[in-house]
Amino acid sequence: DAGITQSPRHKVTETGTPVTLRCHQTENHRYMYWYRQDPGHGLRLIHYSYGVKDTDKGEVSDGYSVSRSKTEDFLLTLESATSSQTSVYFCAISEGGGELFFGEGSRLTVL
Amino acid sequence: GQQLNQSPQSMFIQEGEDVSMNCTSSSIFNTWLWYKQDPGEGPVLLIALYKAGELTSNGRLTAQFGITRKDSFLNISASIPSDVGIYFCAGLTGANSKLTFGKGITLSVRP
Repeated sequence: DAGITQSPRHKVTETGTPVTLRCHQTENHRYMYWYRQDPGHGLRLIHYSYGVKDTDKGEVSDGYSVSRSKTEDFLLTLESATSSQTSVYFCAISEGGGELFFGEGSRLTVL
Repeated sequence: GQQLNQSPQSMFIQEGEDVSMNCTSSSIFNTWLWYKQDPGEGPVLLIALYKAGELTSNGRLTAQFGITRKDSFLNISASIPSDVGIYFCAGLTGANSKLTFGKGITLSVRP
């Protein structure tokens, strides 16, 4: 299995609070991604990174920011969480070509 | 944006039956991939297809990259209970390694 861990795995927070999810890899893969998964919507890309300090927006990036200060870590931040951001968040890593390795997911509930 | 269409949302089959899933798009993709997600886990790559017309097998799974490059199908033969899960198709267009996912098909297998 690819060495990829997400933390926290579960979080409950209140509307308006900041939240940071962390993705850590031990594979030295170039690409890192954050997806959210919601019933009826499948997997939707929030942000991705193609190198240290190189990031780009996905299809549902509003309300989210990311940072990648070193190869192994990719942080997803919700500056002010809203109930619509209740979801399961998946981090993935890749060396390119579409073959992604996913983490186990982080379940976020915003009350 | 690009969209991949998977339907129906759910499929119910009897153990031992074959099942086929399609994925279509109005856009051309250079790579097609099929992922499976077991309950409570992240998606895992099943098969990757890199060339129009390509037919690839992985055990009881067979997938094809459509000639028009706008579709792909996945066939599972002689289904077993562990085939239960969500099956996603995904497409890649260029060199930026940004995948587009379909919404997924939830497969249930009755013993």
